[in-house]
Amino acid sequence: DAMVIQNPRYQVTQFGKPVTLSCSQTLNHNVMYWYQQKSSQAPKLLFHYYDKDFNNEADTPDNFQSRRPNTSFCFLDIRSPGLGDAAMYLCATSIHSYNEQFFGPGTRLTVL
Amino acid sequence: AQKVTQAQTEISVVEKEDVTLDCVYETRDTTYYLFWYKQPPSGELVFLIRRNSFDEQNEISGRYSWNFQKSTSSFNFTITASQVVDSAVYFCALSRPISSGSARQLTFGSGTQLTVLP
Repeated sequence: DAMVIQNPRYQVTQFGKPVTLSCSQTLNHNVMYWYQQKSSQAPKLLFHYYDKDFNNEADTPDNFQSRRPNTSFCFLDIRSPGLGDAAMYLCATSIHSYNEQFFGPGTRLTVL
Repeated sequence: AQKVTQAQTEISVVEKEDVTLDCVYETRDTTYYLFWYKQPPSGELVFLIRRNSFDEQNEISGRYSWNFQKSTSSFNFTITASQVVDSAVYFCALSRPISSGSARQLTFGSGTQLTVLP
């Protein structure tokens, strides 16, 4: 089945230790998104790629970076995780940006 | 400014009851899209429906139905004969243009936690 896959599902890191979360898709969608979702809150968009074009949200901290080496894969790099970065990180894709987004299962990040 | 309001933070119903989740939106765009997503305890957001601003027809899909009323800027979601498996957080969302040309961002409401009791 075509889908959005996120690895790992659970990630534990130490304060300040860089971490990379990965997302892959078999849907061949043009757009890939990264969201941060904290407990009992709505998802918050960090950035998105439209093909190779990277689009950062104005309030996304510099600590968060992203890479999209090809259509199928997108990575979220957190350079120096703080305690406040503990959250669920959701990857999503859409054919075009006005279409519905399909979400992966998320990676729950714990920062010790 | 774009805004989505889901005034109901939590709803509890008993199985087989009908339940309606409210969604009110604000936008200055003439073309926009509205969505509903379900987030079960597992965490994955599941797409339920997309409606564009030019299509005010209500939609029914099994036990789910949606009532879109542009006049009141509402896009309400009804579950008929609720089941325990319907327990989840439900998000209403509005897509709006963002800086990069025709790209659009989802503005989510704060979500409604639905609990269906056996």
